[in-house]
Amino acid sequence: GESVGLHLPTLSVQEGDNSIINCAYSNSASDYFIWYKQESGKGPQFIIDIRSNMDKRQGQRVTVLLNKTVKHLSLQIAATQPGDSAVYFCAENSPSGGSNYKLTFGKGTLLTVNP
Amino acid sequence: DGGITQSPKYLFRKEGQNVTLSCEQNLNHDAMYWYRQDPGQGLRLIYYSQIVNDFQKGDIAEGYSVSREKKESFPLTVTSAQKNPTAFYLCASSISRNYNSPLHFGNGTRLTVT
Repeated sequence: GESVGLHLPTLSVQEGDNSIINCAYSNSASDYFIWYKQESGKGPQFIIDIRSNMDKRQGQRVTVLLNKTVKHLSLQIAATQPGDSAVYFCAENSPSGGSNYKLTFGKGTLLTVNP
Repeated sequence: DGGITQSPKYLFRKEGQNVTLSCEQNLNHDAMYWYRQDPGQGLRLIYYSQIVNDFQKGDIAEGYSVSREKKESFPLTVTSAQKNPTAFYLCASSISRNYNSPLHFGNGTRLTVT
């Protein structure tokens, strides 16, 4: 979803549940996507990436799904832990003329894990 | 342990003063970037550099300046011309800007101007 003013979309889950965080991207020419995790007061931390020639990629406890038809990206976190509580945001990399690319970041979703 | 170091973590300045934020990387990355993060907004690109002695304006370069005299270092100066300088500033690097590779971020500098 879209954030309004200062408020981010939020997702609250119980420890041990699976979490799904969604991201809608805007440019059909985007060919590379990244998910980041950002804890309070820290810089974004790379989680996982996926190229547009794939529709699924798995990491440790995380899976990214890409649906190019509807320009949608999702991040699934298995067995969510309290340490997963953070803001998660996606980024899309799209051509911006010549050999240049532009990385556009989403506003993020706040994940809260309840013990 | 490779990474990006930003300093200081917190910075306070009076309005009208220029201030320089430090960013150093030991990842041997060619490309470096400065982003600004405001509450509830996506990261916005201020400046980027693809190689030493070269840099380009991003989407919100007005009131900022940078230099890239060494591969490892990409300092950002917030000048008195920046109308709303209070923000969280993030430095990042990547192998190259011209092909798909993730950005690696530092832990940011929070600048407060009063």
